[in-house]
Formats: sequence, C-alpha cells, structure tokens
Amino acid sequence: AQKITQTQPGMFVQEKEAVTLDCTYDTSDQSYGLFWYKQPSSGEMIFLIYQGSYDEQNATEGRYSLNFQKARKSANLVISASQLGDSAMYFCAMRLSGGYQKVTFGIGTKLQVIP
Amino acid sequence: DTAVSQTPKYLVTQMGNDKSIKCEQNLGHDTMYWYKQDSKKFLKIMFSYNNKELIINETVPNRFSPKSPDKAHLNLHINSLELGDSAVYFCASSLNLLGRFAGELFFGEGSRLTVL
Repeated sequence: AQKITQTQPGMFVQEKEAVTLDCTYDTSDQSYGLFWYKQPSSGEMIFLIYQGSYDEQNATEGRYSLNFQKARKSANLVISASQLGDSAMYFCAMRLSGGYQKVTFGIGTKLQVIP
Repeated sequence: DTAVSQTPKYLVTQMGNDKSIKCEQNLGHDTMYWYKQDSKKFLKIMFSYNNKELIINETVPNRFSPKSPDKAHLNLHINSLELGDSAVYFCASSLNLLGRFAGELFFGEGSRLTVL
C-alpha cells in the first residue's frame, strides 16, 4: 500500500519569503515518483514538479524545488520568493512504478501569502 | 485547445436523479481516471481505464458506472444521486507505458456536482 502524509493543514508566508511544505510518504517499493500539484481557488489542478525515486539530484522548476530525502521518505516542496499568486492548496502525490501505477494524494496544505 | 476537457462544469440536481459527466482528452494518452474531491479537498481515485479497459476500481458504490468508448473518452454515469455525492469530480489522463514510468496526471477543470 502507498500512503502520503501532509501534516500542515495551513501555512502562512510573507510575500518574497521562502516556504517549505512538508510531505512524507510510505511505500515498500523501490521505484516510484513523487509529484506536487497546486490548486488555486479557481479549482484547477496544476502540476508543479516531479521527483523520481532514482533521481540523484533534487528536482527544480523555476521557483519550485523538491527537497527529496529518500532515507527519511520525505519530499518537501520549497517555494522561493513567494508571490501573492502562490496562495493555494498544495497536494503531494505518489505513483508507484509497478502494476497500474495508481496516483495517491495527500490531504493537502493551504498556503496563504501575506502582502 | 484544452488538453483534458470535462462537461458540464457545474451540475445541480435533485436526490434520486441520474446524471452523467463527460471527459475527453486530446493528448494521445492511454490512461484516464476519475477522481472525487470532497468538501475537505481530499482527492480520492475512483476509476482508471487503460485503452478502454477498466484497470482500477476503488471501493465506489455501484451507482457509479464509468464508460470508456475509446481511449480519448471517459464518461461517468451516476444513478440515484445522494446528498453525499456532492463533490467536485476530476477527470485526468496520463501516459501508461508498459514497464516504464507513466508520468504526471493531466487534469480537467473539474465538474462540481451539487445534489439537493
């Protein structure tokens, strides 16, 4: 079974500051992928960043980076230089490589950026 | 050109009615999904089809019946709607390369169902 845990229901960050959103996962598989999605108040799901379990480098996409610590089974999202438009729900998700590759989501973290 | 499109975007209906939500993707993906997002924003997978074949069927009441006429389309029909069915239903698609990693999900805009 695969499980994603996001322990921060809500977070606040000052505009232009960096913020880390926590995500831990549980799987006995060796091959898997980790994702982060953003859901603004308008409701659409926006893919942000992906990290493969065998990737040696942490993934980065613009202001987003993924702090991947495999031994601790954590995949935290770091947003640098926060902007007001970053206010949204953020979901961590995992897909195993074998079988039907079901994607499982965490419960999300609501981020609010304060001017 | 929308990659994953769902219709309708909003649906308000009475308890006991039957309704359908349609989904189409133009990404050439093999796999399509239905997710339900409840009022607490929790996203739960309901079904997945790979090339028209049902491959994931989570514990969902049999009032929910998905249909995939071809790999670009996945519809969701719900019979005898109940209050608890009120949610946002998301369609998504992804590659599904046998033996290789499938990549991220591409989501539709969601269909907000309200059962009165």
